[in-house]
Amino acid sequence: DAGVTQSPTHLIKTRGQHVTLRCSPISGHKSVSWYQQVLGQGPQFIFQYYEKEERGRGNFPDRFSARQFPNYSSELNVNALLLGDSALYLCASSLAADYEQYFGPGTRLTVT
Amino acid sequence: EDKVVQSPLSLVVHEGDTVTLNCSYEVTNFRSLLWYKQEKKAPTFLFMLTSSGIEKKSGRLSSILDKKELFSILNITATQTGDSAVYLCAVPNYGQNFVFGPGTRLSVLP
Repeated sequence: DAGVTQSPTHLIKTRGQHVTLRCSPISGHKSVSWYQQVLGQGPQFIFQYYEKEERGRGNFPDRFSARQFPNYSSELNVNALLLGDSALYLCASSLAADYEQYFGPGTRLTVT
Repeated sequence: EDKVVQSPLSLVVHEGDTVTLNCSYEVTNFRSLLWYKQEKKAPTFLFMLTSSGIEKKSGRLSSILDKKELFSILNITATQTGDSAVYLCAVPNYGQNFVFGPGTRLSVLP
């Protein structure tokens, strides 16, 4: 079975641009969560979606938004990129909102 | 504010040593604690603990939870170089957001 997939794997953007990151969960999983991981730190929670509805939001500015599609895949959008948005963005899927989460390989975003 | 603390933050051992990694937490409406191993990119799931005093075991790795004292430990016996990684502890809070600790970076030398 395929695990969680994310695209792209790497991305370089300049300040002020916007970016869209994509995630496909494990088949049968209905919950997707997004995390930001800065080098040397643990993942920081951004969003959780379950059955296409937002179930949780972390302490991130409104420049960050996400959505979940009918097939349970998800997109994370970040507008007006800042240098500080450079990080590894991880997507995790789970059967339901409070089950163990399985992570994708991540998207490495570099903002210059 | 919900938080997860891990110690030590880094550890260097030699193959064959036994290590104990610590995780303490303060979250509202505790339900479970999870351990992950992160090598290059994606954290990989190791254990989920929900009950106090019940040890979970997988090969050379084991973990136990103490809900009264609000901590968990992850033990790795007979360490190998392949165990070198960052070990993350995570706890879902009341809002079902997963709160992660900073991780323990384990380096196992040959």
